Amino acid sequence: DGGITQSPKYLFRKEGQNVTLSCEQNLNHDAMYWYRQDPGQGLRLIYYSQIVNDFQKGDIAEGYSVSREKKESFPLTVTSAQKNPTAFYLCASSVLAGDYEQYFGPGTRLTVT
Amino acid sequence: SQQGEEDPQALSIQEGENATMNCSYKTSINNLQWYRQNSGRGLVHLILIRSNEREKHSGRLRVTLDTSKKSSSLLITASRAADTASYFCAMTPSAGGTSYGKLTFGQGTILTVHP
Repeated sequence: DGGITQSPKYLFRKEGQNVTLSCEQNLNHDAMYWYRQDPGQGLRLIYYSQIVNDFQKGDIAEGYSVSREKKESFPLTVTSAQKNPTAFYLCASSVLAGDYEQYFGPGTRLTVT
Repeated sequence: SQQGEEDPQALSIQEGENATMNCSYKTSINNLQWYRQNSGRGLVHLILIRSNEREKHSGRLRVTLDTSKKSSSLLITASRAADTASYFCAMTPSAGGTSYGKLTFGQGTILTVHP
């Protein structure tokens, strides 16, 4: 099956702890993206990567970090510096040609208390 | 960065009726895409319209684009209860450079179709 997987589906952490969200794709896409979604809101771009070992900040990168050591993987770390980390996190990927239709994973709901 | 504005924020209709959602944006785009999100799930791509196109169809979906008004609409005909979901427009900017591939999303329209 081709697609994007995110794990875990639900994640609970205590305030002050860093947490890493997993995103893997087997679509052979060059580009990968992380979005944050808050209740009743659209998606906001956190980070994106167009090639291995390179990534760019999106609109709300503060308090987050990423790595792209493999084409298939783009993990997101939510650090303790993120002031309001509780949200739904979505990973996506796309080719870097044509119309850039994005394919999304099922999401990870992070709750920090 | 630009963001799409969608209206209505919520739409409630009966099965069999048509549903129309609108999206407006601020700056030039290469294309505009519509996505669907079932509650608590990821987004699924529905349809894309390029900046040089005015109308596109896919099954029960019809999307229009008016670049002079910087607006788009998504029409779902003969709606079904299974169409209940949130619908988002997303724009690819025409600025190019490192912006290519980036999408900017609207806040979404929540559609409820009653059986």
